[in-house]
Amino acid sequence: DTAVSQTPKYLVTQMGNDKSIKCEQNLGHDTMYWYKQDSKKFLKIMFSYNNKELIINETVPNRFSPKSPDKAHLNLHINSLELGDSAVYFCASSQVSGKSGYTFGSGTRLTVV
Amino acid sequence: GQQVMQIPQYQHVQEGEDFTTYCNSSTTLSNIQWYKQRPGGHPVFLIQLVKSGEVKKQKRLTFQFGEAKKNSSLHITATQTTDVGTYFCAANTGTASKLTFGTGTRLQVTL
Repeated sequence: DTAVSQTPKYLVTQMGNDKSIKCEQNLGHDTMYWYKQDSKKFLKIMFSYNNKELIINETVPNRFSPKSPDKAHLNLHINSLELGDSAVYFCASSQVSGKSGYTFGSGTRLTVV
Repeated sequence: GQQVMQIPQYQHVQEGEDFTTYCNSSTTLSNIQWYKQRPGGHPVFLIQLVKSGEVKKQKRLTFQFGEAKKNSSLHITATQTTDVGTYFCAANTGTASKLTFGTGTRLQVTL
């Protein structure tokens, strides 16, 4: 009964490929997020969706495209992967956008070779 | 954009010693949250502070929110090896629905 589940857990792929990461939450939360954690452990927000609507889109290359088919799902598609995209990507959800505790998924470790 | 700085970046203590991490912002915060991330794990929500000067305790952990709501601290009394991990503060100014995470403090505890 994982609250926020991400797949896959690990992803190793070559430069130039396109890949997707999926996220689902069963907490009934209204808001979902994608965060990127680099090798120095900095956690940086990428996107935020509230009830399927995009509300935050940080300065992220347009090779990254989030999609939220319903409020329980937020997927991340990445086109033309680059070496610098290697990081851990965390999905998270919360009840009230930015003002209540976030529940994080276990992360997807993306390695671009 | 808003930055939330944490110090120290890294601390190594012996089991039983105390530990404190500090979080500072240049702007007034509407609330502050604290998270713990174990090595290889994901951030786990610990607590949220909202009121000026607020102090909350969770067993050996004490969380404080500054009077001016621009800083916060997390103090661990008598650390244990299970306290190992990176501690993040995270803040929302209230003007954007965005939680900005601090730079994190990595805690190492040895016997």
